[in-house]
Amino acid sequence: QPVLTQSSSASASLGSSVKLTCTLSSGHSSYIIAWHQQQPGKAPRYLMKLEGSGSYNKGSGVPDRFSGSSSGADRYLTISNLQSEDEADYYCETWDSNTRVFGTGTKVTVL
Amino acid sequence: EVQLVESGGGLVKPGGSLRLSCAASGFTFSSYSMNWVRQAPGKGLEWVSSISSSSSYIYYADSVKGRFTISRDNAKNSLYLQMNSLRAEDTAVYYCARAAEYQLLLHWGQGTLVTVSS
Repeated sequence: QPVLTQSSSASASLGSSVKLTCTLSSGHSSYIIAWHQQQPGKAPRYLMKLEGSGSYNKGSGVPDRFSGSSSGADRYLTISNLQSEDEADYYCETWDSNTRVFGTGTKVTVL
Repeated sequence: EVQLVESGGGLVKPGGSLRLSCAASGFTFSSYSMNWVRQAPGKGLEWVSSISSSSSYIYYADSVKGRFTISRDNAKNSLYLQMNSLRAEDTAVYYCARAAEYQLLLHWGQGTLVTVSS
């Protein structure tokens, strides 16, 4: 089954941009993933589905500031015009061989 | 609006049992596979179990296989998780979640806390 690798933390200033990476393990570079946001003390929230082509579909109500892209085995989540409410943990997720896999999550800090 | 409301969490002793429920509304429950995902305090998300729309296909994480049982009642729009032989490491917030295209999770409940402690 695939392994999803995420960096543990990222930070950026209010109003700037941050790009998060989720890397699929060898042999799984074509997999479709989902990005989820978890604000402090809240349940996770689906942000988008992201394909290997870079095509993405966002969930209802997800601001335009959130976008996705892909390159090889890497899946990216870019948050533009960073807001204070974007300070959260971000997880990538995929499904394969009857198993669901999550990345370890990236904690985003807004400076 | 899709709503998933978990219940049944609480404090239980090691070796004990607990049954979680998830009440679904706002969509045709019988058409979607459902999932349980948990999150230990201060940790990341961990998939627990999945069940297909008609209960024909059921899958578990190795960490709970043989101890937990997922089930659903489409007539009651409800999802369940029977947890037996509970251990301290099962302590977590348990989320009910609905899958969508490519089996990726699209909707999440608010979670219910399970604490396993003597």
